[in-house]
Formats: sequence, C-alpha cells, structure tokens
Amino acid sequence: GIQVEQSPPDLILQEGANSTLRCNFSDSVNNLQWFHQNPWGQLINLFYIPSGTKQNGRLSATTVATERYSLLYISSSQTTDSGVYFCAVAPYSGAGSYQLTFGKGTKLSVIP
Amino acid sequence: GAGVSQTPSNKVTEKGKYVELRCDPISGHTALYWYRQSLGQGPEFLIYFQGTGAADDSGLPNDRFFAVRPEGSVSTLKIQRTERGDSAVYLCASSLYFGAQETQYFGPGTRLLVL
Repeated sequence: GIQVEQSPPDLILQEGANSTLRCNFSDSVNNLQWFHQNPWGQLINLFYIPSGTKQNGRLSATTVATERYSLLYISSSQTTDSGVYFCAVAPYSGAGSYQLTFGKGTKLSVIP
Repeated sequence: GAGVSQTPSNKVTEKGKYVELRCDPISGHTALYWYRQSLGQGPEFLIYFQGTGAADDSGLPNDRFFAVRPEGSVSTLKIQRTERGDSAVYLCASSLYFGAQETQYFGPGTRLLVL
C-alpha cells in the first residue's frame, strides 16, 4: 500500500517562530488532508489539498503532486498550535483508494 | 448535530468481554469510516460504509471485529472477546459523499482500555 513519511517527528518552537512540516508519499494521490490533533485527541481538519496551494490565516499548505510531497507552513506560532500534525492520503487508484493512510505525525511543542 | 459524535468517550472492560462503540455521523453524510489509533501512531483504517453496506472491511484485524450501519446513519463497531491488544482510540469519520476525493471529518474518539 501507499507509504507516508512525515518530518520532522518532533519540533520545539519558541512562540512567534515559523515552521515547515513535510509529508512525502510513495504514490499518486486523489486525496491529501492535513490534520491537527489537539492534546485532547480531537483531529481537526486543516486542509484538503491533493494539489496546489491553500492558505487559512497563519497556516498554509502546498502539495506538489508530481513530486509526491506536501508542506504545511505555520507562521507566528502560538502555544495553542501545540499538538500532533498528521498528513493523510488516499491513493489515486487501486486497493485502498477510499481510505486515508496516515503518517506517524509531527509532534509540535510551542513554548512561551 | 454539528459534528461527528461518538459514545462512550471512554470504555474500560475486562479481557474476554464484548463491547459496542457508537458513531453518529454529521447529518446528511452518506459515507462513514472507522479508524483505530494506537498510542504514538497515526490512525489506521478499519472499515467504511456507503449507505448501509460495508464497502470495504479490509482493515478489520480479525473476525472478532464487526460493524453495522442498519439505517445508513448511526454505526456501531462491535468487538467480541476483547483482548488487551484491542486497547486503543477508536475514531469515526464521515464525508458528505462516497468518493476518494471527499473530505473526511473525525469525531472525538472512544478510548478503549481492556484490562
């Protein structure tokens, strides 16, 4: 099945700093979503972005489908940004094309 | 409701017991998915439904796990003869339509602990 690798696994930032999280995937995708899992375990949708660029406030994401990677940018980080960020993909075709495969996540800690 | 809801929030049971986990999808969503998340890992797919039927149950780990969605809305995940290895967070998600390009929205999960 499709493989998803996220980097870095852990990230510690001072409040106000910027960061870039990366997601590499092993096959063409029809679906790519970024999630933030807060300390209470809730998965919050950030972006649906199988290709292109989107922005939402301090967050933006870019997916380069032809090169099989996606980037999540967090600017002016706040302590409430802490948590685990997951990238999840569904392959373009074949088995599993309707199910999301998640990476292992990037654990972000923003310190005051 | 406004989002996906799951009950109970937490469930503690003894090895060998039977448990049922419930999921209420977002109103009007036709597709429903179950995932399982172990500590320190990303969620892993279990099963999904298009309407009342299970379109893909390839992620269910063994025949102790079963899920139903009899009226095309609420779904129940059933686990027989629970084992300690079943301890995890069970997540439910829904999407408006059934399709690979649909955004999936997740519930808060049920934390299952098997003693």
